[in-house]
Amino acid sequence: DSGVTQTPKHLITATGQRVTLRCSPRSGDLSVYWYQQSLDQGLQFLIQYYNGEERAKGNILERFSAQQFPDLHSELNLSSLELGDSALYFCASSQRGTSGYEQYFGPGTRLTVT
Amino acid sequence: GQQLNQSPQSMFIQEGEDVSMNCTSSSIFNTWLWYKQDPGEGPVLLIALYKAGELTSNGRLTAQFGITRKDSFLNISASIPSDVGIYFCAGQDNAGNMLTFGGGTRLMVKP
Repeated sequence: DSGVTQTPKHLITATGQRVTLRCSPRSGDLSVYWYQQSLDQGLQFLIQYYNGEERAKGNILERFSAQQFPDLHSELNLSSLELGDSALYFCASSQRGTSGYEQYFGPGTRLTVT
Repeated sequence: GQQLNQSPQSMFIQEGEDVSMNCTSSSIFNTWLWYKQDPGEGPVLLIALYKAGELTSNGRLTAQFGITRKDSFLNISASIPSDVGIYFCAGQDNAGNMLTFGGGTRLMVKP
């Protein structure tokens, strides 16, 4: 158990809909990262928040947005869903290890768009 | 964007054999990490490497950070059935930044 929690575990929804994925980082971790894992694109970085502020953006679509709340949990909002958005979505959080920032991943949310 | 080439894509080995996989990059990374992912689960961190040339072990796993900072390899000695899964390398350019992942190596172990 990494200490990172994600809900829900599975989500099935229709095209055009909007969903929210939730992540709680490890205790004490200030950074939260969102990644998407699909069969054709592999694991891709979407966005990072640090202590409530957006820190970096990757290949995140404009239909997707995220935020990090004062209690450090984060939500990833996916709107106007398309079939191609079906994927595993992972949240990771980081703490400073002996030499750097190691990222620990949650169990993921499997999103199926029908 | 940056790309990590991970090889081999898959391996089917006999229990007890040693395994080696590697990652190469066109760009320099300051940190290399190796993860294992089981079906339907999140990646689990195995080893983190922070210095060029560093060799680090975690039980039967040994990983090295290449001198050029553009590559890393992972060895698993005396494989067992529970080693089955997908192994990913990941590079990080600066501390606290995003990870760039390799395509993964699917390991299958025959008892």
